[in-house]
Amino acid sequence: QVQLQESGPGLVKPSETLSLTCTVSSYSISSGYYWGWIRQPPGKGLEWIGSIYHNGDTDYNPSLKSRVTISVDTSKNQFSLKVISVTAADTAVYFCARTLDYSSSAPFDYWGQGTLVTVSS
Amino acid sequence: DIQMTQSPSSVSASVGDRVTITCRASQGITNWLAWYQHKPGRAPKLLISAASNLQSGVPSRFSGSGSGTDFTLTITSLQPEDFATYYCQQTDTFPITFGQGTRLEI
Repeated sequence: QVQLQESGPGLVKPSETLSLTCTVSSYSISSGYYWGWIRQPPGKGLEWIGSIYHNGDTDYNPSLKSRVTISVDTSKNQFSLKVISVTAADTAVYFCARTLDYSSSAPFDYWGQGTLVTVSS
Repeated sequence: DIQMTQSPSSVSASVGDRVTITCRASQGITNWLAWYQHKPGRAPKLLISAASNLQSGVPSRFSGSGSGTDFTLTITSLQPEDFATYYCQQTDTFPITFGQGTRLEI
């Protein structure tokens, strides 16, 4: 059973950088599939942030692309998310997930539990 | 971006009821539509891919249909564990987008 676990600070100050890591177990990132980040602001729906393949190929949501970087570290079996210049609007539960198949636009079938990141001074 | 509109936004039902949730895409997405179940504090669960493909382990009381712009998720004989929020997601065109969610409550 593939498992994903998000980790990172739960509180980030406005204008600073949000950094999260997703650690994958029971499956090697290098074996394939796309790995994505999705977020859910309080009381709102789900928003796809972006996805990455093990070779570093990425797709980003244009609404966030200028502020977001997703990277992968296959040696640690982890992938990461950085969002720069955060505001209160970036307060959300952040999920990491794996795609159902090898397509970058496939739905996500394995998810982490999610981690709440609050942007506040 | 393709806008996904779900209706209703919330629905009240009872155990044993049949419920239908609809999802409309702002442009045609053939059958590139997925449905998720989400409970508070839990990871979303993929129920259906490609509009009607039930995922392994998902009870057969869940079914999906539709193509083009109009899709439905039907749950027959509601069980207590089915009360949750349901999201549709289009995977036809980047950026991937989700519906706003339908809260299914008692």
